[in-house]
Amino acid sequence: DARVTQTPRHKVTEMGQEVTMRCQPILGHNTVFWYRQTMMQGLELLAYFRNRAPLDDSGMPKDRFSAEMPDATLATLKIQPSEPRDSAVYFCASGLVLSGGAGTQYFGPGTRLTVL
Amino acid sequence: AQSVTQLDSQVPVFEEAPVELRCNYSSSVSVYLFWYVQYPNQGLQLLLKYLSGSTLVKGINGFEAEFNKSQTSFHLRKPSVHISDTAEYFCAAIRGSQGNLIFGKGTKLSVKP
Repeated sequence: DARVTQTPRHKVTEMGQEVTMRCQPILGHNTVFWYRQTMMQGLELLAYFRNRAPLDDSGMPKDRFSAEMPDATLATLKIQPSEPRDSAVYFCASGLVLSGGAGTQYFGPGTRLTVL
Repeated sequence: AQSVTQLDSQVPVFEEAPVELRCNYSSSVSVYLFWYVQYPNQGLQLLLKYLSGSTLVKGINGFEAEFNKSQTSFHLRKPSVHISDTAEYFCAAIRGSQGNLIFGKGTKLSVKP
């Protein structure tokens, strides 16, 4: 049963520290998404990749967030420096997206980030 | 504006009663529609989806949804709920041609004995 995996599941860090979250998408999926979930804003799209190329990262604060996909089995989301307002659950999702946008996204279990 | 609206933020219901969770989408999003469920401290699990074909879609755990184009709705239903259905439910639609999802704010279903 193929699943999206994310590490770490929980991360507590201090303001100013670098945080790196990792995601392993489902093999064969061509698109990887990063979302953030907070009580106030709900689920927000941060960035996504198609065939490892970044398509859109307009949802991310550019000055401190960066997303990369160094190979087909790994996507990373980095925050440097982290701030308390970055505390949230970060989800990775992957899917096989066809032309026109049709496709189903499968979500990982999330990384719960707390920045003190 | 492109949006997905879930009309109820919380729905309390007794066990074995029927339930309907409402979702409306704006005409500017695509008609690829999804329902996801999130149990406490877990990720989002796909319940069901509508991409094309029959407007009545059946999903896991006894849930079903009906796509209604004229009313721009995709309401989720279950004829008899269980305590284990207590969770938050998210309606979502694909925005644009790149496959990214726009989510509703979520509906917290609370099933009481």
